[in-house]
Amino acid sequence: GAVVSQHPSWVICKSGTSVKIECRSLDFQATTMFWYRQFPKQSLMLMATSNEGSKATYEQGVEKDKFLINHASLTLSTLTVTSAHPEDSSFYICSASVTTIDNSPLHFGNGTRLTVT
Amino acid sequence: DAKTTQPNSMESNEEEPVHLPCNHSTISGTDYIHWYRQLPSQGPEYVIHGLTSNVNNRMASLAIAEDRKSSTLILHRATLRDAAVYYCIPPLIQGAQKLVFGQGTRLTINP
Repeated sequence: GAVVSQHPSWVICKSGTSVKIECRSLDFQATTMFWYRQFPKQSLMLMATSNEGSKATYEQGVEKDKFLINHASLTLSTLTVTSAHPEDSSFYICSASVTTIDNSPLHFGNGTRLTVT
Repeated sequence: DAKTTQPNSMESNEEEPVHLPCNHSTISGTDYIHWYRQLPSQGPEYVIHGLTSNVNNRMASLAIAEDRKSSTLILHRATLRDAAVYYCIPPLIQGAQKLVFGQGTRLTINP
């Protein structure tokens, strides 16, 4: 089945530094990927839609200059948390679809747990 | 946009069937109903989806009410590995495949 891989699975960084999270579709090409974050005991919140070869589309309230998204190839999207602060500590998850057909299942990575100290 | 309502939590015993309800009274005629689940410390995984008739796969069954205003995800024989948060997802935004997650139902399985 389709596999989405995220790296790293966890990361600890100091306040003020930047962290890059990778999302790869291992056995399929994905023109669109999605980035979510999840705080403890809460549901997933969609942050942005990553489009291959074009700018990402951010959800309302998500700072595009803080959460930089690059989707340079059909199998890789990256999320960079710039100048991270403790409040950015969260579980970041990406997803992708094998096809662009409506209602086809989405495949999720196993998430990246970011801790900012 | 269609909204869904699910119980916050449910509990069941191992090897017993589990019925997880979802209300989606504002669903339109062409909207699919999707279910995903999230095991602890993992990303969500697709479970099943359907439009009008009941659907079955290796993971679960989906029973959709005749008026489509509600559906029930059925785990026929729950195992401890089925303990997760189950999300009934509002219809995908047409052409965008954007999933919007509610709070879901936290399912606890007792040994």
